[in-house]
Amino acid sequence: KNEVEQSPQNLTAQEGEFITINCSYSVGISALHWLQQHPGGGIVSLFMLSSGKKKHGRLIATINIQEKHSSLHITASHPRDSAVYICAVWGPTISNFGNEKLTFGTGTRLTIIP
Amino acid sequence: GAGVSQSPRYKVAKRGQDVALRCDPISGHVSLFWYQQALGQGPEFLTYFQNEAQLDKSGLPSDRFFAERPEGSVSTLKIQRTQQEDSAVYLCASSLTPGLRSYFGPGTRLTVL
Repeated sequence: KNEVEQSPQNLTAQEGEFITINCSYSVGISALHWLQQHPGGGIVSLFMLSSGKKKHGRLIATINIQEKHSSLHITASHPRDSAVYICAVWGPTISNFGNEKLTFGTGTRLTIIP
Repeated sequence: GAGVSQSPRYKVAKRGQDVALRCDPISGHVSLFWYQQALGQGPEFLTYFQNEAQLDKSGLPSDRFFAERPEGSVSTLKIQRTQQEDSAVYLCASSLTPGLRSYFGPGTRLTVL
């Protein structure tokens, strides 16, 4: 079973700060999700990536397959970015692709103070 | 322009009652997942369907939990004889094909008294 760890568990920052959330996993994967969950439970998929780097607005996600590590960065953070950010991995890398499932980290609670 | 929908959004059940939670995935999505999220925790996998076939039910915590997707679209998660430890948010997600980006529903918050 893949172990997914996120750090930090909680992060409080001032508006405008650059934010980094880290995710490490133990077993090779085929892809990794970064998810955002607001109070009330709704989950939104921010990125799905299997290599390199993706950018969407102020959000950047990177992954290093060899290191089994991914980071989510938020530039110019804003109070509306306050949420729980969850890393989830597809895997392990097996040929029976249709039988893969997501394993989730426990999330990072981000609070941006105005 | 529907995303994944779930109903009910909130359910309160007395211990011992049976409950049924519904998930309407995005039309045409082959893969459907159920997850359980306890308070303060990340979601935990329950079961996975590819069309109508339940390919993985290894995450179902007990034989009181049963899921079906008889026509390969709507899915129902049924919990029999609910217990207090079943209290959680139950999330449904779908994806167009296995391994592609998953779209999550809003969840059903189940409280067992």
